[in-house]
Amino acid sequence: GQSLEQPSEVTAVEGAIVQINCTYQTSGFYGLSWYQQHDGGAPTFLSYNALDGLEETGRFSSFLSRSDSYGYLLLQELQMKDSASYFCAVRGRGGYQKVTFGTGTKLQVIP
Amino acid sequence: GAGVSQSPSNKVTEKGKDVELRCDPISGHTALYWYRQSLGQGLEFLIYFQGNSAPDKSGLPSDRFSAERTGGSVSTLTIQRTQQEDSAVYLCASSLGGDPEAFFGQGTRLTVV
Repeated sequence: GQSLEQPSEVTAVEGAIVQINCTYQTSGFYGLSWYQQHDGGAPTFLSYNALDGLEETGRFSSFLSRSDSYGYLLLQELQMKDSASYFCAVRGRGGYQKVTFGTGTKLQVIP
Repeated sequence: GAGVSQSPSNKVTEKGKDVELRCDPISGHTALYWYRQSLGQGLEFLIYFQGNSAPDKSGLPSDRFSAERTGGSVSTLTIQRTQQEDSAVYLCASSLGGDPEAFFGQGTRLTVV
């Protein structure tokens, strides 16, 4: 089957940089996505990596190493509004459209 | 529509009753997903549709759960003989064919009393 591991909670200071790691086990890997979910809200898509390396989108970057079954989300210049849960998700066994989510990392940004 | 729409937004039902949850995906999106999220937990995969067919139903927790999609659009998740452990937020998402970005609805909060 598929499994993903993320830290359950991370706390960081406003203006700082934080990295949220994700390790996964799957067969038939197609890509790794990241989603953000504010309390009471719906998950929203942040980024997707199908190939090794770093993808940058504004203050957010995502990295993938397929050989290590590992990825991370990097948030720079943290803002209070970045306080949310962050989920990694893998496309794997079951077809490229089956997306399995990790348990999520709750990020708290403090002043 | 402009986004993924789910109804009802909240549902309180008595244990043992059947419930139907509805999802209207973004027009033209061929892939549709159902997930379940318990309070403070991750997203548990239930089922996904490619068009009207469901290649993977492995996430459905029991035979009390079923889902269908008609016309490549609207999907209904049915839970029969609800139990208290079914209480959760049920999220629907849709995406274009091979596009990795999935768009989520606001979910249906189901409470079984």
